[in-house]
Amino acid sequence: AQSVAQPEDQVNVAEGNPLTVKCTYSVSGNPYLFWYVQYPNRGLQFLLKYITGDNLVKGSYGFEAEFNKSQTSFHLKKPSALVSDSALYFCAVIPPTGGYNKLIFGAGTRLAVHP
Amino acid sequence: ETGVTQTPRHLVMGMTNKKSLKCEQHLGHNAMYWYKQSAKKPLELMFVYSLEERVENNSVPSRFSPECPNSSHLFLHLHTLQPEDSALYLCASSQEDRVSYEQYFGPGTRLTVT
Repeated sequence: AQSVAQPEDQVNVAEGNPLTVKCTYSVSGNPYLFWYVQYPNRGLQFLLKYITGDNLVKGSYGFEAEFNKSQTSFHLKKPSALVSDSALYFCAVIPPTGGYNKLIFGAGTRLAVHP
Repeated sequence: ETGVTQTPRHLVMGMTNKKSLKCEQHLGHNAMYWYKQSAKKPLELMFVYSLEERVENNSVPSRFSPECPNSSHLFLHLHTLQPEDSALYLCASSQEDRVSYEQYFGPGTRLTVT
């Protein structure tokens, strides 16, 4: 079955430190990969995506993610965390087959950045 | 603002009530989605409409009934719900041209079934 795993329910990091939120996927073929962020009482906001090309993609708010095909991973990173980055982060994939953009989501990782 | 609006933002209903959730997108997209978000679970895709036709119904109970009268509007009609249906219901839209791929989400409707 196609799935996305976010192994950490919560990630804690001090402000100014680098952060990593992990994501691995189980999808046949070459999927399209996404990160979304959800702030309290808000819907999901698109952060970045990997479709093809350079394995390191840059997105909104200084975030970036690295696609690693051999490890089937797409970890989200930021060099210096801000308290305002505290939110719920979702990794998602679109399998390469299908007639429409069917997103498969992970369960989410809560990021807490402490002053 | 993502260009996708949802009303109401909060809804409390009894198990015998009938209510509807509304979603409107102002992005010119041709596909719309309903998701259910429960605590500590992945988002569950409920329904997909592409070009105003339902293309996916993920084994959703019949007490949830979607309607897509045009490409900008999507409704979710609710009747005789159960307490376990309490969740955040998210609407999203996208352009089905296999170029942009990402979906844009509304703020959600927080539903509580009593």
